[in-house]
This record gives sequence, C-alpha cells and structure tokens, in this order.
Amino acid sequence: KQEVTQIPAALSVPEGENLVLNCSFTDSAIYNLQWFRQDPGKGLTSLLLIQSSQREQTSGRLNASLDKSSGRSTLYIAASQPGDSATYLCAVLSGSRLTFGEGTQLTVNP
Amino acid sequence: GAVVSQHPSWVICKSGTSVKIECRSLDFQATTMFWYRQFPKQSLMLMATSNEGSKATYEQGVEKDKFLINHASLTLSTLTVTSAHPEDSSFYICSAPRVLTGNTGELFFGEGSRLTVL
Repeated sequence: KQEVTQIPAALSVPEGENLVLNCSFTDSAIYNLQWFRQDPGKGLTSLLLIQSSQREQTSGRLNASLDKSSGRSTLYIAASQPGDSATYLCAVLSGSRLTFGEGTQLTVNP
Repeated sequence: GAVVSQHPSWVICKSGTSVKIECRSLDFQATTMFWYRQFPKQSLMLMATSNEGSKATYEQGVEKDKFLINHASLTLSTLTVTSAHPEDSSFYICSAPRVLTGNTGELFFGEGSRLTVL
C-alpha cells in the first residue's frame, strides 16, 4: 500500500525567502507525481506534474524534483510572496490509485 | 480556466433530505472520475471511483447506498448524498484525469462543494 508523507506539516516564513517542501512515498513504482495548491475552502489547483521518467519540472518560481528510487520529491518555491500562502499537497499515482500526502500549510508573512 | 466544474459550490440542507452534486469535465472526456471527502485541516479521502456506463467502485467503509454515484456520460458524474445527516457535513471534491500518454494522466479537480446539514 502506497503511503505519502509530507514534511513539514506547517511552515511560516518571511516574504522573499526561498523554501523547500518535502514529499516522500513508500512504493517507487509510480506513474507520476503531482503537486497541488489548495486555498482554504477551495478545490485543488495543479501546480506541477512530473512523469516517472522525469527528474524535475519548472513553472515560474516553482521547481519540483523527483527521485523515484529514493521515493522523494521536493517543491522549491523561490522568492516567496504572501500570495503563496496555502496548503500544498503532493499526490502519487501508482497502479490505478492516487495517494495524497497530508499537506504542508505554508504561511508567508509580509 | 477551469477544466473540471463542480456544482453547487455550497449547499445547506435539512437533515433527512438528499443533495446532488455534479462534476463536469469541460473540454475533455473522462471515463473515470473520482470523488473525495475532506474534513477540516485533513487531506483528501477517496470515497469512490465513478465509472462511465458501469457501477462505481467504493472505498472500504463508504456506504454505497448513502452516497449514490451516477456517471451517465463521458463528461458528467453526480454524487447524491441520500438522507443527509449532520455528520455528512463536509467538503466534497471531484476530480477527473485527462489522459496524457498511455497509462498516465493529469488530474484536474473541481472547486469543491461544501455541504452543511442542519
């Protein structure tokens, strides 16, 4: 059974700081890994999708890496802004099942 | 813009009534859609997989008679919470995979529906 863990559970940083969110998974036989953002009371917004054959994906100030063999992914956010405050979820697609981590609640203080 | 639309975004109902939530894929067809439930400050819990033209697959512990799922077309799945009770109050989210290549796809999520049962 796939298990996904995200560390830290919560993170508070001053504006402008670069930060890293971590995601680990127990079964390396995955199709892809996806990072999402969720604002309070809202649905999920897809940020980055990394296929199992890829090592990283970039979108603007976001960079996600994938090390399938070690079961790890990181989401790097550069020059954080207050608007980045949200919960960030990683999800791993393996078999026919998508497994979510518990999320990291990020607060960027002005 | 949104590629998966969910409606209604919020609903308040009396105990004992039934509530229907719709999930539509807007610019792609989805033979499979997923329904999740999320409690405050918790991650998403998969409730069931909706399959177009056949019965839904429910996760262990989810009552199929309580949460009726219908996937009547390639762009629409509905979740009906029957005889709702206050403990059914939650945030319900649907998702639909858009196939990229082969057996991989990208998941898109609806905006979610907040159900409050009085």
